[in-house]
Amino acid sequence: QSVLTQTPSVSGAPGQRVTISCTGSSSNIGAGYGVHWYQQLPGTAPKLLIYDTWNRPSGVPDRFSASKSGTSASLAITGLQAEDEADYFCQCYDSSLSTSLFGGGTKVTVL
Amino acid sequence: EVQLVQSGAEVKQPGESLKISCKTSGYTFTSHWISWVRQMPGRGLEWMGQIFRDDSDITYNPAFQGQVTISADKSFGVAYLHWSSLKASDTAMYFCARHRDRSGSGLDYWGQGTQVTVSS
Repeated sequence: QSVLTQTPSVSGAPGQRVTISCTGSSSNIGAGYGVHWYQQLPGTAPKLLIYDTWNRPSGVPDRFSASKSGTSASLAITGLQAEDEADYFCQCYDSSLSTSLFGGGTKVTVL
Repeated sequence: EVQLVQSGAEVKQPGESLKISCKTSGYTFTSHWISWVRQMPGRGLEWMGQIFRDDSDITYNPAFQGQVTISADKSFGVAYLHWSSLKASDTAMYFCARHRDRSGSGLDYWGQGTQVTVSS
C-alpha cells in the first residue's frame, strides 16, 4: 500500500466534474511539501498537470485544478472529456522516508 | 525545444549488467535535476533517484539504494541508470524526467521510456 493513497478509480460522464484525492500524512503533504500531479495516457510517458500543489504548466487546460487541505490533496477535472481518460498520479516528498513518492494512481474512466 | 531521448529496449538475462541512457537537449543540462522513475508492468510510478550536474550530487530512494547506480556526463548532457546484476524483478519501463526547477519540483519533461526485460 502506497504512503500516498489514491482512490483506484473514478468515473464520470462527459461534461461532469470528477475529483481525485491523494491522502498522505504529516511527513509529506501535511509537512507543506509541494504536491505534483501527472496524467498518463495508455502507453505513453506521464505528463505534468500541476506542480507545487496549485500551479498549472503552460498548455495545461484550466479544466484541471488542484487544492490541498491538511494531509490531503485533490485534483479536479471539470467539463470531463473523452481524452481525459487516463491514469493520474500524485507525487510528494516524504521527510520520514527521505524520498519522493508517487501515489498508487487513479484510473479515470469517461462513461 | 527541450527533449529527453532514452536508449532503446533491452532484453537481458538475470545476472547481466546493463546501462541505459537519457540524452537531453534544448536546455542547460547543469541547471536542472534529472530523476529516474520505474513503472513495473501494470503498476504505478516509483521514484528511484535523481542527479544534478554530475556524479557528485545524487540522491536515491532508499528502496533503490545499492540496487542501481545513477550517473551523468554533463559534457554531453546525458544521464545514465546502471545495474551490475539484473534480476527478473527489474523487468519494467524506466523513465527519465527533468525537474522543472529545483530538486523536489515537478517533473516537466519526460523521456519516452526504456523497456527493460530480464528473463532467462
